[in-house]
Amino acid sequence: QLQLQESGPGLVKPSETLSLTCTVSSGSISSSSYYWGWIRQPPGKGLEWIGNIYYSGNTYYNPSLKSRVTISLDTSKNQFSLKLSSVTAADTAVYYCARAPSYGWGSVGAFDIWGQGTMVTVSS
Amino acid sequence: EIVLTQSPATLSLSPGERVTLSCGASQSVSSSYLAWYQQKPGLAPRLLIYDASSRATGIPDRFSGSGSGTDFTLSISRLESEDFAVYYCQQYGSSPRTFGQGTRLEIK
Repeated sequence: QLQLQESGPGLVKPSETLSLTCTVSSGSISSSSYYWGWIRQPPGKGLEWIGNIYYSGNTYYNPSLKSRVTISLDTSKNQFSLKLSSVTAADTAVYYCARAPSYGWGSVGAFDIWGQGTMVTVSS
Repeated sequence: EIVLTQSPATLSLSPGERVTLSCGASQSVSSSYLAWYQQKPGLAPRLLIYDASSRATGIPDRFSGSGSGTDFTLSISRLESEDFAVYYCQQYGSSPRTFGQGTRLEIK
């Protein structure tokens, strides 16, 4: 059964860059059948899609975060990563990585497998 | 951006009852690319329904989804104790992918 696990610092200072990694086990991120995504959830609030990446390296970002977000793949480690620059307290959230099936022609399905999430706090 | 509005915000029901949750979209959702997720405290969301009406792997048949265009519903035929949670809808037919604000289903 494919599993995803987020990792990274739990505390980031304002104006710095948040960096998280998602390790995929029992499956390959190089599969053309899936996209890999990041979603976040501020404490007590709803879910916000951050972006997706395909095995080809093509990325798709939420316009509200696009200027600050980079998602990348490391196929040698079967991982994908999130970088969010110039963070503020508003970026404090649980960050989830997840998998979504490719429907072909650029269409992406729902997130069917999620990591457990990692809490990131932005504070000095 | 498609805005999803879920109603009601909170529902108080008893085990054994039937419930229907609503998700309204500000624009038509392409190809009925709408999903429903269940989230319990401290856990990641779990996919229940995708493509508006298809049950995800391992989801009991008491969960069903329907709808198209701008109006979608999630129904639970007979509530069990483990069903009390927060439910989110999400559209993935256009970018950015967006989520509803959630409906909290609590025990009466």
